[in-house]
Amino acid sequence: NAGVTQTPKFRILKIGQSMTLQCTQDMNHNYMYWYRQDPGMGLKLIYYSVGAGITDKGEVPNGYNVSRSTTEDFPLRLELAAPSQTSVYFCASSEYRAHTDTQYFGPGTRLTVL
Amino acid sequence: EDQVTQSPEALRLQEGESSSLNCSYTVSGLRGLFWYRQDPGKGPEFLFTLYSAGEEKEKERLKATLTKKESFLHITAPKPEDSATYLCAVQAGGGADGLTFGKGTHLIIQP
Repeated sequence: NAGVTQTPKFRILKIGQSMTLQCTQDMNHNYMYWYRQDPGMGLKLIYYSVGAGITDKGEVPNGYNVSRSTTEDFPLRLELAAPSQTSVYFCASSEYRAHTDTQYFGPGTRLTVL
Repeated sequence: EDQVTQSPEALRLQEGESSSLNCSYTVSGLRGLFWYRQDPGKGPEFLFTLYSAGEEKEKERLKATLTKKESFLHITAPKPEDSATYLCAVQAGGGADGLTFGKGTHLIIQP
């Protein structure tokens, strides 16, 4: 049981390039999330999904797109990379429970846009 | 707007010196308060979930408590391996809502 896995671990992009950050979970969780973490700041929610085919915006969605075609995968797409998107990106997943749902995080992707 | 404030930003302790980290929050309808540990270059690692005021949870040298306005993470007789950044987060009333995080407390335990 690998939990939440993310690829790549590191990436350097030039301004205007595109890329997809991959996220996969093997816990059969229905909820998945993307956060970004900037130095000295708390994690900020970018997008989330409550199940295959259903996605919604979080606090900082501009410049990003997502899709969810399977329960396991939740890729994050950057179309036109900008220096402001330099950050560490974390994917998380959780299983809905009646009370609350603990989110489990992947190891992160460190992205630099130059 | 949900807000989470953690204090202090950084804390340096001697091995065995107990202390507490604070997490103050404002949220519309608390669904859960979470504590995570984050090591350098790693993702947040889940520690505790607290649901209602008065609740307490313990794990090894860590104990988390919750009131209506704040949560404390008590560290008893810490060891150098407890050095990490500790993150506090809240989840509001919706079932799929993301977490609102504080900026974290960077804890260093010196041998």
